Amino acid sequence: DAKTTQPPSMDCAEGRAANLPCNHSTISGNEYVYWYRQIHSQGPQYIIHGLKNNETNEMASLIITEDRKSSTLILPHATLRDTAVYYCIVRVSSNTGKLIFGQGTTLQVKP
Amino acid sequence: DVKVTQSSRYLVKRTGEKVFLECVQDMDHENMFWYRQDPGLGLRLIYFSYDVKMKEKGDIPEGYSVSREKKERFSLILESASTNQTSMYLCASSYIPQGAFFGQGTRLTVV
Repeated sequence: DAKTTQPPSMDCAEGRAANLPCNHSTISGNEYVYWYRQIHSQGPQYIIHGLKNNETNEMASLIITEDRKSSTLILPHATLRDTAVYYCIVRVSSNTGKLIFGQGTTLQVKP
Repeated sequence: DVKVTQSSRYLVKRTGEKVFLECVQDMDHENMFWYRQDPGLGLRLIYFSYDVKMKEKGDIPEGYSVSREKKERFSLILESASTNQTSMYLCASSYIPQGAFFGQGTRLTVV
């Protein structure tokens, strides 16, 4: 599975959009991009995933560049409860694909 | 909603004991995973199963084994518990290409 690179930490003001970048320059054509987050002392929570097109759900939006070498997770109106570690993962679209977590980005939402 | 249930939230075992951590999912997912999480080391994959009786080693399989006799249940076994296996253990299940869903975690202390 391709590796990902994320900044170790970011700050965001409450109510503003949080844009979390992820680099996955070695991604293969059959690999999806997934985003998870982990709030302290809880198990990771799935947020969103995509292959080529931009995706949106009730939690966030995922923007994938046309060459698929990077992506951005957007939390449109960050709240204090969005303070967490955010993980960007790429994984093959087959049942034998492992799910490997990197170090993620610690997002601190400030009042 | 997908439910991934781990048998214990907290567990204390003695060095040398054989320890079983159980995980059950209710969504007929093909894939199941076991991770451990330690401060500063992030989430590390121990073992992964992509079907009944099928397993693959993750990044840190030493000292652990797994069993998947039924699709819904994935067990992690510590053959002879040691103090360096004190950790938070997290189970997850997924169905490609959907995201993975995690249990609440088991905090294991080996004394």
